[in-house]
Amino acid sequence: QSALTQPASVSGSPGQSITISCTGTSSDVGSYNIVSWYQQHPGKAPKLMIYEGSKRPSGVSNRFSGSKSGNTASLTISGLQAEDEADYYCCSYAGSSTYVFGTGTKVTVL
Amino acid sequence: QLQLQESGPGLVKPSETLSLTCTVSGGSISSSSYYWGWIRQPPGKGLEWIGNIYYSGNTYYNPSLKSRVTISVDTSKNQFSLKLSSVTAADTAVYYCADLYTTVDYFDYWGQGTLVTVSS
Repeated sequence: QSALTQPASVSGSPGQSITISCTGTSSDVGSYNIVSWYQQHPGKAPKLMIYEGSKRPSGVSNRFSGSKSGNTASLTISGLQAEDEADYYCCSYAGSSTYVFGTGTKVTVL
Repeated sequence: QLQLQESGPGLVKPSETLSLTCTVSGGSISSSSYYWGWIRQPPGKGLEWIGNIYYSGNTYYNPSLKSRVTISVDTSKNQFSLKLSSVTAADTAVYYCADLYTTVDYFDYWGQGTLVTVSS
């Protein structure tokens, strides 16, 4: 069970859109539509932003959206804001009641 | 709203066993809606899923840690616990407990995390 692969960093200017990829295998991302995304600010616990690939929990801005194609899931943040600067992690079901997280992406708002 | 709180020693010696407890409030650990999980994060690094437990006692572990991990549940105290044996410096991390909402498979509520350092 290897960590899902995410870019180490992504940056954008306020108002722009950015996309974070999360690449797994046919044993995890590719086999299940059970990908969640978490936002983590320094020193804080992760916060759920997207679940089941593209669904937003109540209270999460509609600027956050998710998608999946094959073995890769993606998180898009549109209308980038300063408060979006954080680390982002994907997480996928990997079969047999196990889960795997991504390597994490640091989002910088320029 | 669920609240989770980790507790346990912040310093563990190499080769010894790390033990942490997560106390759940605002809901019952015996709810069929949740699994209860442990996730860790080494300083400056990413998240790693350690394992989950159901209130019935069924456990599921990360294959890479399975030989050293034991997760248990105490429904009478609304708590679940983590034991990680034969620790090394590589096990130094912030350890989080969280609930996994069963029907949609996401980690919903998280504890604040507790730093455990492995050092002599």
